[in-house]
Amino acid sequence: DVKVTQSSRYLVKRTGEKVFLECVQDMDHENMFWYRQDPGLGLRLIYFSYDVKMKEKGDIPEGYSVSREKKERFSLILESASTNQTSMYLCASSFTGKGSYGYTFGSGTRLTVV
Amino acid sequence: GQQLNQSPQSMFIQEGEDVSMNCTSSSIFNTWLWYKQDPGEGPVLLIALYKAGELTSNGRLTAQFGITRKDSFLNISASIPSDVGIYFCAGQHPPSGGGADGLTFGKGTHLIIQP
Repeated sequence: DVKVTQSSRYLVKRTGEKVFLECVQDMDHENMFWYRQDPGLGLRLIYFSYDVKMKEKGDIPEGYSVSREKKERFSLILESASTNQTSMYLCASSFTGKGSYGYTFGSGTRLTVV
Repeated sequence: GQQLNQSPQSMFIQEGEDVSMNCTSSSIFNTWLWYKQDPGEGPVLLIALYKAGELTSNGRLTAQFGITRKDSFLNISASIPSDVGIYFCAGQHPPSGGGADGLTFGKGTHLIIQP
């Protein structure tokens, strides 16, 4: 069964901390994505990557950075966590080309910044 | 990026009722997808549609790719308690060549089933 695994289901961090959210996929997908989900706002794209070491800003990249050193792993970094970054974070992956079936999502990481 | 117009935002229904929700867009998509998100989990793909006018079923779920390629509908018949969750539509533009073939998501429809 194909899988996208997010390292933590729940995290509580303090304001100002540097936070790492890890995502690993076992499907050899080229593309990986980070979204945040907030009530009433739907899924908002933070960053995505279509290849190793490549990254593209999404709609709300401010306060975040990403790293993709290996094809299977895509990390989201909150440089200095703030309370307005309390949210559900979803990682997803996909492959490009014929027969692609949209994204496969991880189970999410619920981050609380206090 | 843009978001799709998904409606309704939420639905409160009785068990056994049928459910309809839809998404509309100002731009054309070549693929429409419907996802369901259970509480505390990530979205899971329910149905994928690849052709204008296509009608596809998955058990009690039926989805249609609008003939104009700018809309899609999802129907759930005879709802049961495990249908509770958030349903997202997503559209995919034709590949532009290179890079990720990104999806555009609706904001979701919360389905709540009252006993």
